[in-house]
Order: sequence, then C-alpha cells, then structure tokens
Amino acid sequence: EDKVVQSPLSLVVHEGDTVTLNCSYEVTNFRSLLWYKQEKKAPTFLFMLTSSGIEKKSGRLSSILDKKELFSILNITATQTGDSAVYLCALDNAGNMLTFGGGTRLMVKP
Amino acid sequence: DVKVTQSSRYLVKRTGEKVFLECVQDMDHENMFWYRQDPGLGLRLIYFSYDVKMKEKGDIPEGYSVSREKKERFSLILESASTNQTSMYLCASSPPGRGLNEKLFFGSGTQLSVL
Repeated sequence: EDKVVQSPLSLVVHEGDTVTLNCSYEVTNFRSLLWYKQEKKAPTFLFMLTSSGIEKKSGRLSSILDKKELFSILNITATQTGDSAVYLCALDNAGNMLTFGGGTRLMVKP
Repeated sequence: DVKVTQSSRYLVKRTGEKVFLECVQDMDHENMFWYRQDPGLGLRLIYFSYDVKMKEKGDIPEGYSVSREKKERFSLILESASTNQTSMYLCASSPPGRGLNEKLFFGSGTQLSVL
C-alpha cells in the first residue's frame, strides 16, 4: 500500500527564518510527487517533481526529490506571515488516485 | 483561471438525513474528485469521475455515492448521514493529461457537521 508521511506535524517560526518540510513515501509505481499549500480551504498547487536531484524553484520556495531515498523536501527561505499554511505532499502512483500525507502546519510569527 | 465551486461552505445535518454536496467546475475538465480531509489523516479520496456518468471508488467510498450527469457538475451524496461523516469535504477537478492528477484544482471546501 502506498504511503506518504510528512514531518514535522507542525512548526512555528519567526519571520525571516528558513524552514524545511519533509515528505517521505513508499510507492509501488512512482509517477510524480506534488506539493500543495492550503491556507484557508482550497489547496493550491506548488510543485510537481518527477526526477531526482532537479530542484524546482518558485520565488522563496524550492523543492527537490530523492527517488533513491524516497523523500522530498520543501524549503522556504526568508519566511513571511503569508507563508502560514498547511503544506501537503501527495504521491501520484500512475494509477487513478493521489495519496496525500497528513500535512505540515506552518505558522510564521511576525 | 479555473474555478471549482462548492455550493456550501458550512452545513449542519442530523444523523440519518440525506445530504447532497454539489461541485461545479467551469473549465470543461474531464476529471473530478471528492476528498474528505480530517486532522492528521490528510486528504482521502472518496470517489472520482473521469467522464460523464462514469465513476470510480476511491479509498473510502463506504457510506457515499456520487452522480455525474453533466460534465461540469459532480455531486457527493450521503444517503444516511452519520456522525463519523463529520468532516471537511473538498471537490477537485483536473484536465486530461498523461495522468488524472497532474494538477488538481480544488474548491474551497464544505465543512459538514452531522449531529
């Protein structure tokens, strides 16, 4: 059975800090790994990763995948209060369903 | 921009009631999904549909049914609501592509409380 585990469960930092969110997985047939940000209700897409070692970057956010060790990290540098959200990692196993992790709740204090 | 609209943000129902959750998307997407989200459990797929009148069970279909009579609308039905169905329900859609899940567009969610 495919599995996605995110850590930490929650994190409180101050503005300007850098954070690293972790996502480890077990999968029978890997297609891609996706990151979403959920601020209030609707998750919004951040990144899709398919290849090991290639960093995806968008502003202060970046993500990388390690298919050998079966994990991905999401980095946020110079955090701002607007980064406060739940960050979801999801696995696409080339089937018909995404498997989501439990999420990491990030709170950025001013 | 793709818009996925869920008819209610908050809903309170009684045990045993029949509940309809409606979802409409405006981008002509083939694929639509219903998830529920519970603390610590992430999002779990209830049902999905890849075409009109087509449906497939997800991880947790028990106690739910769905209806896709038109391409833009995907309804989730709780035939007889129970307290363990109290949850946040999220609808999503995605365009056709090499997979169904390339990019999901989510609605704002319906927080359902069953008393």
